[in-house]
Amino acid sequence: KQEVTQIPAALSVPEGENLVLNCSFTDSAIYNLQWFRQDPGKGLTSLLLIQSSQREQTSGRLNASLDKSSGRSTLYIAASQPGDSATYLCAGPGATNKLIFGTGTLLAVQP
Amino acid sequence: GAGVSQSPRYKVAKRGQDVALRCDPISGHVSLFWYQQALGQGPEFLTYFQNEAQLDKSGLPSDRFFAERPEGSVSTLKIQRTQQEDSAVYLCASSLWGFRDRGLNTEAFFGQGTRLTVV
Repeated sequence: KQEVTQIPAALSVPEGENLVLNCSFTDSAIYNLQWFRQDPGKGLTSLLLIQSSQREQTSGRLNASLDKSSGRSTLYIAASQPGDSATYLCAGPGATNKLIFGTGTLLAVQP
Repeated sequence: GAGVSQSPRYKVAKRGQDVALRCDPISGHVSLFWYQQALGQGPEFLTYFQNEAQLDKSGLPSDRFFAERPEGSVSTLKIQRTQQEDSAVYLCASSLWGFRDRGLNTEAFFGQGTRLTVV
């Protein structure tokens, strides 16, 4: 059974810092992993999808890596900005085709 | 449409009332998912459709919850005899293929959600 864990649960950093969010999963036979952002009262916005054949994906200041052997994914945010403040969620596939989510990391970037 | 659309955005129901939540997925997307998200928690899986077939409903919390996607496009999540513990945000997502379809584009896109409050 796929279980997804995210560390830390909350993070507060000053503007401009580089930071890393961690995601671990129990079923290493995953085909892909997706990172999302959720603003308060909003739905989920897809940030990056890493296919199993890839080891990382980049979009602007975001870089996500996937290590299937260790069951881990990281989301790296460079030069953080106050607008990056949100909850970040990772999700991997469970049985059938559903996504299993972690509980998220609440990020606050202080100006 | 350009994205996943959910309606209504907000719903207040009296305890015992039936509610219906609608999801319009991205056109052409085969897979459709419903999730329930409690405050401060990650989304919890409810049910999954591949076209019109409901392949997984293991996350539906009780037989008061029912979902359908009769023509393989729009989906409706119905909750009968609502209880206070049903208060949550209900999220719908669609993807071109299923998340275990290796080698295919399986990025999931979410709607804005419906916030249900049962009073």
